Amino acid sequence: KNEVEQSPQNLTAQEGEFITINCSYSVGISALHWLQQHPGGGIVSLFMLSSGKKKHGRLIATINIQEKHSSLHITASHPRDSAVYICAAQPMYSGGGADGLTFGKGTHLIIQP
Amino acid sequence: DAGVIQSPRHEVTEMGQEVTLRCKPISGHNSLFWYRQTMMRGLELLIYFNNNVPIDDSGMPEDRFSAKMPNASFSTLKIQPSEPRDSAVYFCASSSGDSRLAGGVDSPLHFGNGTRLTVT
Repeated sequence: KNEVEQSPQNLTAQEGEFITINCSYSVGISALHWLQQHPGGGIVSLFMLSSGKKKHGRLIATINIQEKHSSLHITASHPRDSAVYICAAQPMYSGGGADGLTFGKGTHLIIQP
Repeated sequence: DAGVIQSPRHEVTEMGQEVTLRCKPISGHNSLFWYRQTMMRGLELLIYFNNNVPIDDSGMPEDRFSAKMPNASFSTLKIQPSEPRDSAVYFCASSSGDSRLAGGVDSPLHFGNGTRLTVT
């Protein structure tokens, strides 16, 4: 069974700070997702990666397959980045499909002006 | 592209009543997923469909839960009878590609805005 752990659970930072959210998982995976859940509840897929690093605007996601660890970074954080960030891992034993996704409990991020 | 559309956004009902949640996936997507999110357990997969066929419903908590996908553009999740412990946010998501690849590196998941269900 794949276990997905995120840290920290809660994070409050000042506008402009560099933010790092960590995700670790316990089994070999085919892909790892980072999702953003807005205060209104909607979920948006930010990244899906299986190796290396991806960047989109101020967001950067990295993954280390050997260490079974991924990080989500936010540069020059802004109050509108306040949300819950969820990582989800697709274990290889599931065949790699989204039906096998295991979700972390999420990181509640608040960026204060 | 209107995205994944779920209705209703909020549902409040009394214990014992039937509840039907609806989902319209993105046109052209052939994989559809129903998730439930609670504070205690986070996001959990309930059931997923590929090409309108239920592939895995092992996440459905009990026989009170049922899901259908009569065509490629519509799915329902029904709870009958509802219980207070069913209170949660229910998300529908869709993806393109084969069910084994859906959500994979070339087939991202697209989520609806969810239905917040409260059973009193």
